[in-house]
Amino acid sequence: QQQVKQSPQSLIVQKGGIPIINCAYENTAFDYFPWYQQFPGKGPALLIAIRPDVSEKKEGRFTISFNKSAKQFSLHIMDSQPGDSATYFCAAAWAQKLVFGQGTRLTINP
Amino acid sequence: GAGVSQSPSNKVTEKGKDVELRCDPISGHTALYWYRQSLGQGLEFLIYFQGNSAPDKSGLPSDRFSAERTGGSVSTLTIQRTQQEDSAVYLCASSLVQGFGQPQHFGDGTRLSIL
Repeated sequence: QQQVKQSPQSLIVQKGGIPIINCAYENTAFDYFPWYQQFPGKGPALLIAIRPDVSEKKEGRFTISFNKSAKQFSLHIMDSQPGDSATYFCAAAWAQKLVFGQGTRLTINP
Repeated sequence: GAGVSQSPSNKVTEKGKDVELRCDPISGHTALYWYRQSLGQGLEFLIYFQGNSAPDKSGLPSDRFSAERTGGSVSTLTIQRTQQEDSAVYLCASSLVQGFGQPQHFGDGTRLSIL
């Protein structure tokens, strides 16, 4: 119930491509869905977040799509750049705690 | 301004020893969280503090783990009688207030290695 399932585990995309990372959850009590970006040796940094009453949110090149009925949400990165290479985590918030997905290691080739 | 600060950045110790990990949250942040990140894995919630309320310890994996937060600011995570499976990166985060949508700001973690 408290799990967030994230896929794929790793992803390689050419520069300019649109990587898509997917997450799914079961607990309908989750009320906030952030995405974090983590570089090696650093802590995760908040990238973008969405509430369940919104189906899409864009911030710069990053877009979250949210499907409440399917209990799924995804991150799209437009015009991806080598500097976007990092590990991405989706998360879901419940009772002020974050439950994280297992992470996706994204590589953007030049 | 200063972010979340954690110390030490790396800690190597022998199995059976006790370790203390420190977290300095962002000034003014009332909520503080500890997570554990094992190699190649996601983040596992351990404990969180909110103001003067009793901490939520529901994520602590065993009674060897404990944490305190003094004066509503600095927090220390203590692991007693360390085991090899305790090897991980321990991350601390803070947020302005507890509540819906408040972003958590993470430190860079303490990488703990148990020999």
